[in-house]
Amino acid sequence: GAVVSQHPSRVICKSGTSVKIECRSLDFQATTMFWYRQFPKKSLMLMATSNEGSKATYEQGVEKDKFLINHASLTLSTLTVTSAHPEDSSFYICSADPVTSRGTEAFFGQGTRLTVV
Amino acid sequence: AQTVTQSQPEMSVQEAETVTLSCTYDTSESDYYLFWYKQPPSRQMILVIRQEAYKQQNATENRFSVNFQKAAKSFSLKISDSQLGDAAMYFCAYRARTGNQFYFGTGTSLTVIP
Repeated sequence: GAVVSQHPSRVICKSGTSVKIECRSLDFQATTMFWYRQFPKKSLMLMATSNEGSKATYEQGVEKDKFLINHASLTLSTLTVTSAHPEDSSFYICSADPVTSRGTEAFFGQGTRLTVV
Repeated sequence: AQTVTQSQPEMSVQEAETVTLSCTYDTSESDYYLFWYKQPPSRQMILVIRQEAYKQQNATENRFSVNFQKAAKSFSLKISDSQLGDAAMYFCAYRARTGNQFYFGTGTSLTVIP
């Protein structure tokens, strides 16, 4: 099956620093990738939709200047948490739609656990 | 806005028995997809089963089957012959055919008792 690789799987950073999370589709092209945030024992909350070659679309309440998304190629989207604070600590998950799927399926990365100290 | 409701925060089942997880959704769309995803302790989201709304036949994948009631907007997951490896959080999800976004339910934590 299709594979989405998310890196790093865990990261600890100091408050005030920035962290970049990568989401790569390894064996397919994805025009659209999605970034989710998941709190412990909670559901996935969509943060933003990342489209290759254009600006990301952010959900209401998500600060676009804090969570920078870049989708520079059909296989890579990045999420940068800028000036991270402890409240940004969470589990971040990306997903990608194969170009050919037309919405019938999406593949998820393994997630990134961010801890801000 | 579309909403997905999972009314069972926790469920348990004896190994080899059958369990049904409930899911209801709300939408004004006529064409959409419904999914069940499994999230084990590793946190990797794994697709269990998918249903296309225009198909009346319930989807089946080995021990996993769904009961899709379009008029009632209900989409339950039945796990037969439960195995220890089925223990996980299960999320019901909706996606409109014309849209991009997944809408997830709040999840059901399934425990399998040996």
